[in-house]
Amino acid sequence: KQEVTQIPAALSVPEGENLVLNCSFTDSAIYNLQWFRQDPGKGLTSLLLIQSSQREQTSGRLNASLDKSSGRSTLYIAASQPGDSATYLCAVDRGSTLGRLYFGRGTQLTVWP
Amino acid sequence: DAGITQSPRYKITETGRQVTLMCHQTWSHSYMFWYRQDLGHGLRLIYYSAAADITDKGEVPDGYVVSRSKTENFPLTLESATRSQTSVYFCASSDFLEGGETQYFGPGTRLLVL
Repeated sequence: KQEVTQIPAALSVPEGENLVLNCSFTDSAIYNLQWFRQDPGKGLTSLLLIQSSQREQTSGRLNASLDKSSGRSTLYIAASQPGDSATYLCAVDRGSTLGRLYFGRGTQLTVWP
Repeated sequence: DAGITQSPRYKITETGRQVTLMCHQTWSHSYMFWYRQDLGHGLRLIYYSAAADITDKGEVPDGYVVSRSKTENFPLTLESATRSQTSVYFCASSDFLEGGETQYFGPGTRLLVL
């Protein structure tokens, strides 16, 4: 069974800091890895999707990297803002059943002014 | 409304009652999913569907029933609600693209079973 772990569980930083959120998974045979954002009381919003053949993806101030061999992904947030405050979830698709995602429990991020 | 919607958004019911949660998407995505989110467990897959009339169990299917007679709808039924089914339920949809396609999530249904 695929286990997905996210560290840290919570993070509180002042505005402007560069952040690193970590995700690890036990089975390196993945199809893709996705990062989501969840705001309190809301659904999930997709941020980045990295295919298994890729090493990283970038969107604005966000950069996600993937190292399949070590079972790790990192989400880098540059110049954090209070609006970045949310829970960030990592999910892997093993490809055995397309679209079936295994989620980590998330990192709750608070960026204060 | 465009996108993916869920109804009701909040539901309180009693143990033993049947409850149906609705999910509707306007993109004609092939795949649809039901998850539950609980503190300490994160998101877990209940059921999924690859197309109309094709459904399969996920990680925690016991006590739930799904159907998919139309591509755009994917209702989830709790046949006889139990307190352990108190949770937040999310529906999601995606389409198939080589390399994977992101999933689009609904706003969730908060269910309380008394």
